[in-house]
Amino acid sequence: DAGITQSPRYKITETGRQVTLMCHQTWSHSYMFWYRQDLGHGLRLIYYSAAADITDKGEVPDGYVVSRSKTENFPLTLESATRSQTSVYFCASRAGTSGYEQYFGPGTRLTVT
Amino acid sequence: ILNVEQSPQSLHVQEGDSTNFTCSFPSSNFYALHWYRWETAKSPEALFVMTLNGDEKKKGRISATLNTKEGYSYLYIKGSQPEDSATYLCAPIKAAGNKLTFGGGTRVLVKP
Repeated sequence: DAGITQSPRYKITETGRQVTLMCHQTWSHSYMFWYRQDLGHGLRLIYYSAAADITDKGEVPDGYVVSRSKTENFPLTLESATRSQTSVYFCASRAGTSGYEQYFGPGTRLTVT
Repeated sequence: ILNVEQSPQSLHVQEGDSTNFTCSFPSSNFYALHWYRWETAKSPEALFVMTLNGDEKKKGRISATLNTKEGYSYLYIKGSQPEDSATYLCAPIKAAGNKLTFGGGTRVLVKP
């Protein structure tokens, strides 16, 4: 299906485990983003990518790793999950420069126990 | 990190009434302003991307204005309906920047 998808939609993991959240878009958008939704903070940017093999930190990158070997995929890895990383994670993509709107995926609800 | 303020944080509107709320942002190095609509349990959806001072955009009953010199944007909802209930996010972008910095949002609840 065309669009932007995230998997899994729901994930429960234990503290200290590594977990990877997947994001896939079919538009060949150059820009991709990872946000987390937190009460009192709204949406905060974790990492973003301007193109394949180009990534940069956002506002809250600590504890996360990203890669982008293909334009359409932008996985987010929590290297050693902590309870503070319990959140809803949104992936987004954008066609080009800042004048283009962003399209958000459906979100992944992650619970770290 | 840009300082983006949205006010009020929340508001209750009676069905049929009109309302508006504000997004304030640093006026220096302005490039563009995005508005998004975010319904509960869904993902944000773009409403407008605004770039020019004095710009006005409209989509159905929702419209927005932009003042880049003083650093604010208003979003208006005319004749509010229950389906307008959502959180409205604004996000400015600095010149040469690629990242959106989201404000905390204005949560709108339209009561029938």
